[in-house]
Amino acid sequence: EAGVAQSPRYKIIEKRQSVAFWCNPISGHATLYWYQQILGQGPKLLIQFQNNGVVDDSQLPKDRFSAERLKGVDSTLKIQPAKLEDSAVYLCASSLVPGSGETQYFGPGTRLLVL
Amino acid sequence: GQQVMQIPQYQHVQEGEDFTTYCNSSTTLSNIQWYKQRPGGHPVFLIQLVKSGEVKKQKRLTFQFGEAKKNSSLHITATQTTDVGTYFCAGPSGTYKYIFGTGTRLKVLA
Repeated sequence: EAGVAQSPRYKIIEKRQSVAFWCNPISGHATLYWYQQILGQGPKLLIQFQNNGVVDDSQLPKDRFSAERLKGVDSTLKIQPAKLEDSAVYLCASSLVPGSGETQYFGPGTRLLVL
Repeated sequence: GQQVMQIPQYQHVQEGEDFTTYCNSSTTLSNIQWYKQRPGGHPVFLIQLVKSGEVKKQKRLTFQFGEAKKNSSLHITATQTTDVGTYFCAGPSGTYKYIFGTGTRLKVLA
């Protein structure tokens, strides 16, 4: 079974530039998550999709971050414009269904450095 | 808001020594999950505990869920260099999402 795919793996940009990350979840997984993991901290949920609808985006900085999952499969997360504090690893995860008790499978992440 | 804290933040042990990390939630949890993240890697699911007082074992790893379902622990017996990484607990918040703990970074000295 193929895992969660993410690209790019690394990205270096200057502040105020834009950046986009792509995620392809495990086939058949209805739920997709985007997490931000700052160095030395646990993953923080940014947004959660159930198919192509948003379940939770309460911690997404909506003035600069946006995400979509148009066909209920792969997803993109965009930052525009980036700030220095956005430097982090952006992890995508998927699960079969939403809800407590579901195992989340994480992708390798995209390491973003904002200069 | 709901918080999930872990102690210690860091732990260095000699290979062969035991290791324990503790997870504490500010609210009662319906279940708790544990993940391991190797250096430079991504979190990988280890186990889920559901019942009050539940104890589960995976080889040298023992996981326990507290009686009040607000805390949990992970104990590794006779650590090996392959155990190096950060261990996270995660508790559900609401119906759909999980809050990850602060993590415990384990370093094993050969």
